[in-house]
Amino acid sequence: RKEVEQDPGPFNVPEGATVAFNCTYSNSASQSFFWYRQDCRKEPKLLMSVYSSGNEDGRFTAQLNRASQYISLLIRDSKLSDSATYLCAVENSGGSNYKLTFGKGTLLTVNP
Amino acid sequence: NAGVMQNPRHLVRRRGQEARLRCSPMKGHSHVYWYRQLPEEGLKFMVYLQKENIIDESGMPKERFSAEFPKEGPSILRIQQVVRGDSAAYFCASSRQAGGADTQYFGPGTRLTVL
Repeated sequence: RKEVEQDPGPFNVPEGATVAFNCTYSNSASQSFFWYRQDCRKEPKLLMSVYSSGNEDGRFTAQLNRASQYISLLIRDSKLSDSATYLCAVENSGGSNYKLTFGKGTLLTVNP
Repeated sequence: NAGVMQNPRHLVRRRGQEARLRCSPMKGHSHVYWYRQLPEEGLKFMVYLQKENIIDESGMPKERFSAEFPKEGPSILRIQQVVRGDSAAYFCASSRQAGGADTQYFGPGTRLTVL
């Protein structure tokens, strides 16, 4: 099983749609989880940290399910500007709680 | 408040040449991380450094690659005798502390092309 695995995508959705991404991780000792957004040929930018209780930031909601070892990102009322690649990242706690392990990313295209 | 700075943004080298990539962390950050992103691949951790110390280089190829973060000046990722397979985007990130939920902020990256 890969350390971090994401929905392969791509996702093509109309404006206003709700879209959800899932990401599974293999290291049960992992403590910190993040969603990054990466535009084409740009650097990853932190979108949200993911907390055990789940967290929301405007149209974005992140959730963590430790029992099933997955994190999710929900985007409501999607905008054209949400088009990007979404990367989940897991910070491993097994003696190296600084190393981010990324999924391959899921490409989202929001269409007018 | 300047973010993480990397230069050059684009670097072209011929096979066998050396590539030097520079990274200046955000102000107040003393932890630097290098990641590589190959075409159609995810970001892969390479090395974690603090000032004058390599903490973890478990993601670095065993040969030709080295990194440093001197007391003064930027962190340097050095690739000797580059090969075509080294063509990738190299991102540097920095954080104030290591571990926990401390955020790693990424620089714009250096896109290395090996001819």
